[in-house]
Amino acid sequence: DGGITQSPKYLFRKEGQNVTLSCEQNLNHDAMYWYRQDPGQGLRLIYYSQIVNDFQKGDIAEGYSVSREKKESFPLTVTSAQKNPTAFYLCASSRNLQGTAEKLFFGSGTQLSVL
Amino acid sequence: QKEVEQNSGPLSVPEGAIASLNCTYSDRGSQSFFWYRQYSGKSPELIMFIYSNGDKEDGRFTAQLNKASQYVSLLIRDSQPSDSATYLCAVILANDMRFGAGTRLTVKP
Repeated sequence: DGGITQSPKYLFRKEGQNVTLSCEQNLNHDAMYWYRQDPGQGLRLIYYSQIVNDFQKGDIAEGYSVSREKKESFPLTVTSAQKNPTAFYLCASSRNLQGTAEKLFFGSGTQLSVL
Repeated sequence: QKEVEQNSGPLSVPEGAIASLNCTYSDRGSQSFFWYRQYSGKSPELIMFIYSNGDKEDGRFTAQLNKASQYVSLLIRDSQPSDSATYLCAVILANDMRFGAGTRLTVKP
């Protein structure tokens, strides 16, 4: 089945620790995205990538890093510089969004909490 | 001004009523507009998309777009308790998609 897979579903971070959230898609989509959602809030864009080995910062990139070494994979690292990382993280993918009505396909999300 | 703004809610309607959700956007060049439904703890799911002025209907859902006023809305007819969720308005902005803060809808039996 085609889809987008995020893991783990729940993740706990200790103070000063870096953690990595996994996102894999087998939809052959060029573009992938990471969003952060705080309770009762909408989605805020962290990073996005339109092509392998290239990515752009979104509105809240500070304290996060990404890589796009393969088309299928777009892992997100929450670094120790992110002082308030507790949130629901959503990965998404799509075909190229330029001027089209292409939709986003979402993973099931990762809930990150600080110990 | 935020790129995408939604009426703050929460919104509560009785079962069988019409629920009206509103959204405005700041980029006059935006071409594509989306409504997603999100249940608590779950990922958003697409309900409707629209890119032409006017109305687009799909079952109990109608999306309305007015590009001159930079306004997009979602009407839910014959609201059901299962429609209780947060509704997110989204707009394609350049090469990515931006979301509003969401409106929480409760449909009371």
